[in-house]
Amino acid sequence: EIVLTQSPATLSLSPGERATLSCRASQSVSSYLAWYQQKPGQAPRLLIYDASNRATGIPARFSGSGSGTDFTLTISSLEPEDFAVYYCQQRSNWPQYTFGQGTKLEIK
Amino acid sequence: EVQLVESGGGLVQPGGSLRLSCAASGFTFSSYEMNWVRQAPGKGLEWVSYISSSGSTIYYADSVKGRFTISRDNAKNSLYLQMNSLRAEDTAVYYCARDTPLLGMDVWGQGTTVTVSS
Repeated sequence: EIVLTQSPATLSLSPGERATLSCRASQSVSSYLAWYQQKPGQAPRLLIYDASNRATGIPARFSGSGSGTDFTLTISSLEPEDFAVYYCQQRSNWPQYTFGQGTKLEIK
Repeated sequence: EVQLVESGGGLVQPGGSLRLSCAASGFTFSSYEMNWVRQAPGKGLEWVSYISSSGSTIYYADSVKGRFTISRDNAKNSLYLQMNSLRAEDTAVYYCARDTPLLGMDVWGQGTTVTVSS
């Protein structure tokens, strides 16, 4: 099983600041990594696929990078609606697509 | 509008059974692979089960293998999860999610809550 470790567990920032979230895989997943955003009481929403491609309708302030075992989700300038929990998901080990444990992005 | 709507959740005693349903609309259901994903209270996301577009290929997480059965009825645009021998640790919100290869789980339902307790 591929294990994904996200860091930090919690990130406290202010609107307008830059957010950098990390996801590390226990073995290479190539570029087969996705990022999801989940707000309280809502279903997850796909943000990024294939490590660096924004899903339909996702604002340009969201970007993804990385390959192999180390990945980053960057939010260039935080908007109030961006405070949520973010999950990475590996899509290398089909179809057992495991998730990371999540990073909570909270308002400072 | 592309939509997934889950139903069938509720309170069940340990050892009991429950059948979840997921109704799809706004897209060609029979063309898509589908998943069940769950989230225990205050916890992260856990992939539960996968079914191919035709229903011929099925996978389960080890935590539910032998107890849960995924199925689909493409004529009814519906996905199902039969859950037997339920345990307290199965308590969670269960989501159905459309899977688009090379993209990810791009459409999610709102979730249905399953509580296993005596």
